Amino acid sequence: EIVLTQSPGTLSLSPGERATLSCRASQSVSSSYLGWYQQKPGQAPRLLIYGASSRATGIPDRFSGSGSGTDFTLTISRLEPEDFAVYYCQQYGTSPRTFGQGTKVEIK
Amino acid sequence: EVQLVESGGGLVKPGGSLRLSCAASGFTFSTYTMNWVRQAPGRGLEWVSSISSSSSYIYYADSVKGRFTISRDNAKNSLYLQMNSLRAEDTAVYYCARETSSDYWGQGTLVTVSS
Repeated sequence: EIVLTQSPGTLSLSPGERATLSCRASQSVSSSYLGWYQQKPGQAPRLLIYGASSRATGIPDRFSGSGSGTDFTLTISRLEPEDFAVYYCQQYGTSPRTFGQGTKVEIK
Repeated sequence: EVQLVESGGGLVKPGGSLRLSCAASGFTFSTYTMNWVRQAPGRGLEWVSSISSSSSYIYYADSVKGRFTISRDNAKNSLYLQMNSLRAEDTAVYYCARETSSDYWGQGTLVTVSS
């Protein structure tokens, strides 16, 4: 099983600041089958990034993904008020299709 | 517009069974892999199971293997999760999601396992 470790657990930032979230895998992720999801309280998750670096439909370009192999990053270039949420990474190249434990981005 | 609507959740006693359904619309259901993902109260996301478009490939998390069965009816645009031998730790909101990348999600259905 591929274990995904997200860091930090919580990120305290102000609107307008840059957010950098990390997702590290215990083994190489097959063909960059790595996704990033945003979840707000009481809502279903929303896909932001697939294939490690491709933005999903309708996702603003302030969200970007990078990385390959075992190290992946989600960057939010300038935080908007609606971006404060929990973010998860998931690898879907190998079964079981594991999620990271999440990073909470909170208002400082 | 892609829509996924889960149903079938509720309160069940330990050892009991429940069948979840996910009604899909707004896309060609028969051409997509589908997934079930769950989230226990206050916890993170946990992948549960996936089924390929023609049901040829089925995968389960170890935590549910042998107790849960995923299936689909492409003629009815529906995805199912049969859950048997339910335990307290199965208590969660269960989401269905489209495609291996989970590009669209339903709003979820709550399953509570308690005596």
